[in-house]
Formats: sequence, structure tokens, C-alpha cells
Amino acid sequence: AQKVTQAQTEISVVEKEDVTLDCVYETRDTTYYLFWYKQPPSGELVFLIRRNSFDEQNEISGRYSWNFQKSTSSFNFTITASQVVDSAVYFCALPDNQGGKLIFGQGTELSVKP
Amino acid sequence: GAGVSQSPRYKVTKRGQDVALRCDPISGHVSLYWYRQALGQGPEFLTYFNYEAQQDKSGLPNDRFSAERPEGSISTLTIQRTEQRDSAMYRCATGRTAYSGANVLTFGAGSRLTVL
Repeated sequence: AQKVTQAQTEISVVEKEDVTLDCVYETRDTTYYLFWYKQPPSGELVFLIRRNSFDEQNEISGRYSWNFQKSTSSFNFTITASQVVDSAVYFCALPDNQGGKLIFGQGTELSVKP
Repeated sequence: GAGVSQSPRYKVTKRGQDVALRCDPISGHVSLYWYRQALGQGPEFLTYFNYEAQQDKSGLPNDRFSAERPEGSISTLTIQRTEQRDSAMYRCATGRTAYSGANVLTFGAGSRLTVL
């Protein structure tokens, strides 16, 4: 069965620090997708990124970057020069191989202090 | 609509009452998912539909929970004889295609259920 582990429950940083959120997954699929979602204090779930297991190149989008390592089953998320608006709960997710459901990790709550 | 709309946003009910939560998907989105999220936890899958067909209901906790999507658009999640342990955020998400591991889900704002 698919499993996603986000070992960091809470992280607190000061503005402008870099921070990395860890995600480790388990799957028997040879090809799969991985996702990150953000849940800001307002409560909605916002899609951030989808990666295909074929593509192990790191992805960068502004201050956000993702490091996908198939060999270690990890898909880590780094925020560079964090800002207070980055404060949120971040979820890593993996589709179930039996159907369309996303399996979410427990989430990492990031607090960025001014 | 432009986004996934859920109603009511907040529902407070007494134990034993039935509740119905509604999800209005993005126009044209084929797949529709229901999730439940307890405080401090990640969303937990309940059930999903492709068009009007319920494809998987393995996440529904017991037979008090049911869902329908009769015309392949609006969906209703019904909880009968509510219990305090049913208190949670119930989220609806929709996707452009039928199951594909690549499906990007768009989530609604959720319905916060409190059972007294």
C-alpha cells in the first residue's frame, strides 16, 4: 500500500531563513506522481506541484524548489528566504495504485516569524 | 463554477441528527472526491466518483456515511445519526479527468462539522 511520511510535525524559522520540509514515500508502482499541497491559516488546500517519477530533475519555482530522489524515495521541499506568508501546513501526497485517491502525509506545520 | 463550492461552510448539530454536505464541482470536472480531515491530521480519503458512478467507497467509516452524485455534477455526502467522533472538516475535491495518477485535484474550502 502507498504510504507518505512527513516526520517533521512542526518547524519554526525566522524570516529569510531557508527551510526544507521532508517527505518520504512508499510505493510498489514503478511509475507514479507525487504532489505537494499547502494549507494556509485560512484553511483551504492549495496545489503547489506535481512531479512524475520519470523526471528526477530538481524543480524551482521562485523561492520554492523540490528535490526528488527516487533512490531514497524522498521528495523534499525547500523554501528559500522564507517569508511570514509562507506560514502554513504543507502536505506531501501520492496517488493510490488502486484508484484515484491521494494518500496524504500528516503534514508539516511551518511557522515563519518576523 | 470557477472553483469547488461546498456548503454549508459550518454546521453544528446535535448527536443523532442527520446532516447533508454539498459539493458543487468545477464545471466539466469528471472526478469528485470526498475527504475528511481531523485537526492536526492530513486529509483522509472517504469516497470518489467518476461522472455519476461511485468508484471507490472504501474510506467511508461505516454505513452511517453515504454519498451520491446522481447527475455527475453536484454531490452530497450524508451522515446519518451523527456522533461526536464525526466532528471534522469534510473536504470535496474535483479533477479534470477520470482516474489518473496525474490528476491534479482542486479542493473546496471545506465544511466544518461539529457534533455536540
